[in-house]
Formats: sequence, C-alpha cells, structure tokens
Amino acid sequence: DAKTTQPPSMDCAEGRAANLPCNHSTISGNEYVYWYRQIHSQGPQYIIHGLKNNETNEMASLIITEDRKSSTLILPHATLRDTAVYYCIVRVGPSGSRLTFGEGTQLTVNP
Amino acid sequence: NAGVTQTPKFQVLKTGQSMTLQCAQDMNHEYMSWYRQDPGMGLRLIHYSVGAGITDQGEVPNGYNVSRSTTEDFPLRLLSAAPSQTSVYFCATSGFLGGAYNEQFFGPGTRLTVL
Repeated sequence: DAKTTQPPSMDCAEGRAANLPCNHSTISGNEYVYWYRQIHSQGPQYIIHGLKNNETNEMASLIITEDRKSSTLILPHATLRDTAVYYCIVRVGPSGSRLTFGEGTQLTVNP
Repeated sequence: NAGVTQTPKFQVLKTGQSMTLQCAQDMNHEYMSWYRQDPGMGLRLIHYSVGAGITDQGEVPNGYNVSRSTTEDFPLRLLSAAPSQTSVYFCATSGFLGGAYNEQFFGPGTRLTVL
C-alpha cells in the first residue's frame, strides 16, 4: 500500500471549515484513499473514501487532486466534537481489506 | 444490535501469563481483524481473517495467536505476555458486499498492561 504523509497537528476555530491535507505521491491506479478518525482513544471511525472523483457524505467532503498524489478532507463546519486524530489511508480496494495506519493529524477545534 | 464488542475493557497481566482477548460481532461480517495501538502511535495490524476457518498474519503477529471457528467471534490469544505487549487492542470488522469490502467498524478496545 502507498505511504501517506500528514501534518502532525492542526488547529481550527469552531464553526469554520477544517481542511486536512494528505500526501500520497506513490499511490497507484487501483488504490483508494480512506479517511478515519479516532476520538480520544476510542476505536477509529470511518469518515469517507474515494478513488479519483471528489466525494461528499453527511460527515465530510474528500477532494482528490487530478494526479491523485494528494487529497484534502474537509469538515465544513467544525465543532468541538470533531477534535480527534484523523488518519489518511491508502489501500488496494475495494477488494483489499487491510488498512495501514500512519500517525495521523491531531485536529483541535477551539471555541 | 451491539455491533462490535470486546472483553475485557481493562486487563493487567504479569510477565509470562497467557490470556485471551475476546471480540464478537453481530453484523454477519466476513472480515475481522486485530490491531494494537501503542501510546502516541497509529494502529498496527496483528492478525486478520476473511472468513470462518481462515486467518492470516498482519504487520506485528509475533506473540499472538488467533482462530476463527465462527463468523461472530475472533479471539486473540497472548501466549506468554511481555511488557512490550502493553497496548490498547482494537478489533475491527468489515462486510464484503458486491465484490468489495465496506468500511471497517471498530470495537471500543481492550487496554492491556503487562507488568
């Protein structure tokens, strides 16, 4: 699976959009980008995934660059409950089952 | 519908003791896996299973055994506990539908300390 690079920490004001970047320059054509988050040592929670098109669901939007070497997770209106570690994961899928977690980005949403 | 359950929530062992961490799911998912998470680090895959009777090693399998006799249960056995196995252990499951694995659902974790 391709390696990902994320900033170790970010801050965001409550109510503003949080934009979390991820670099995956070695991604191959059949690899998907997944985002999970982990709130205060709970089990990780799935957020969203995509292959090459931008994706949106009730939690977030995922923007993938045209060359697929990087992506951005957008939380449109961050709340204090969005404070968590966010993991960007690239994996062979959707038939690939294994997830490889890096160290993620600690997002802190401030009041 | 309890989702993914793990027992116990907390456990303290002495070096050399053995124990089994339990994971159960009621979502009829084929795929189950075990991860460990050390302080300040991401999760690392220990073992996984794509169905009853089938298991395989992940990134850090040494010192752990698994078996999958039923779809619902995927126990993780520590053979002879070592302080290096002090960690938080997460179980995860995923369904396989339409030729694809869906999102993984994680349990609440077991916090293990080995003295």
